[in-house]
Amino acid sequence: QQQVKQSPQSLIVQKGGISIINCAYENTAFDYFPWYQQFPGKGPALLIAIRPDVSEKKEGRFTISFNKSAKQFSLHIMDSQPGDSATYFCAASSGYSTLTFGKGTMLLVSP
Amino acid sequence: DAGITQSPRHKVTETGTPVTLRCHQTENHRYMYWYRQDPGHGLRLIHYSYGVKDTDKGEVSDGYSVSRSKTEDFLLTLESATSSQTSVYFCAIESRGGGTQYFGPGTRLLVL
Repeated sequence: QQQVKQSPQSLIVQKGGISIINCAYENTAFDYFPWYQQFPGKGPALLIAIRPDVSEKKEGRFTISFNKSAKQFSLHIMDSQPGDSATYFCAASSGYSTLTFGKGTMLLVSP
Repeated sequence: DAGITQSPRHKVTETGTPVTLRCHQTENHRYMYWYRQDPGHGLRLIHYSYGVKDTDKGEVSDGYSVSRSKTEDFLLTLESATSSQTSVYFCAIESRGGGTQYFGPGTRLLVL
């Protein structure tokens, strides 16, 4: 079964700290790994994505780290801010297949 | 919201009644998706479409049907709503399969 396991379910980080969310997958055919951010009452929005030809991708304070051999990828939010408080979803797909989503992580950044 | 609208945005209905949710896009994207979001389950795919009149089932398709007669519209129908279908429903669009999906604002459905 194509699964993406996401952890932790919830996370509390102090302002200025580093938030880390992890995902693990089973299907070695996956070749696209996006992260989505969702604020309450809104639809998910693409935050950052990576393909397995690179081990890391950085966009501002957000970084994806990718470990192909371990079949894991993670989202790091540096200098976390209260405005980053949201639910984060990892996902994966292969070729033209549909996205498989993790179950989400609720992040709260305390002031 | 990337040229995606969903209607209605909120709906309360009774068990056993039919319900149709509409997703409308102005991006001319080929792929359209319906998801439901429930606490502890994340986003689960109900049905998707890869072209006009071309649809396929997702992970949780039982009790749902879809139709796509025009590129811009994708309808989700609950033939006989049940309380277990109380959820937030999201539509998403994509220009090609397996890539970036853009989500609509969601429809909050309560089945009493």
